[in-house]
Amino acid sequence: NAGVTQTPKFRVLKTGQSMTLLCAQDMNHEYMYWYRQDPGMGLRLIHYSVGEGTTAKGEVPDGYNVSRLKKQNFLLGLESAAPSQTSVYFCASSPDRAGANVLTFGAGSRLTVL
Amino acid sequence: DAKTTQPNSMESNEEEPVHLPCNHSTISGTDYIHWYRQLPSQGPEYVIHGLTSNVNNRMASLAIAEDRKSSTLILHRATLRDAAVYYCILSNQGGKLIFGQGTELSVKP
Repeated sequence: NAGVTQTPKFRVLKTGQSMTLLCAQDMNHEYMYWYRQDPGMGLRLIHYSVGEGTTAKGEVPDGYNVSRLKKQNFLLGLESAAPSQTSVYFCASSPDRAGANVLTFGAGSRLTVL
Repeated sequence: DAKTTQPNSMESNEEEPVHLPCNHSTISGTDYIHWYRQLPSQGPEYVIHGLTSNVNNRMASLAIAEDRKSSTLILHRATLRDAAVYYCILSNQGGKLIFGQGTELSVKP
């Protein structure tokens, strides 16, 4: 049982390049989330999904796009990377929308934009 | 979304109890109180959550004030492996968790 798997774990990009981070969960969870964490700060919600084919904006959605074509996968895309997007990105999933839902997090993807 | 307020840092001695406070004065009736922790270089992990009553699990206890405007995470015997950033978060029926700055707990041997 892998839980939440993020790929890649590390990536270095040049300004203006594009890339996609993949999050995969094997727990049949409905909800999936993308957060970013900058040094010395808490996590900030970028986008989330309440089910296959749905996406919604979080606190800091600008510069990112997401897709949830399959229930088990949640993709985070950067169309034109900027140095301000240098961060550690965490994906999470949860079973349902109720306030009692518990999130399971991935190990993180460290992105550096030069 | 309702906000939480936590101290930036706390210190504890190994094998002593730790009480981590959290204020959430704007909590609504449907908000659950969640605690997560983040060990160095890892993703956050779930610790405990509750709605109105105090809760216990193998990791910790959660004490919720009667008016629900504050709560306390209790680690009964701190170990060096408990050194982490602890996040107190409110979650409503929308299911989103909005993280604050958290409390950085250091444990001294």
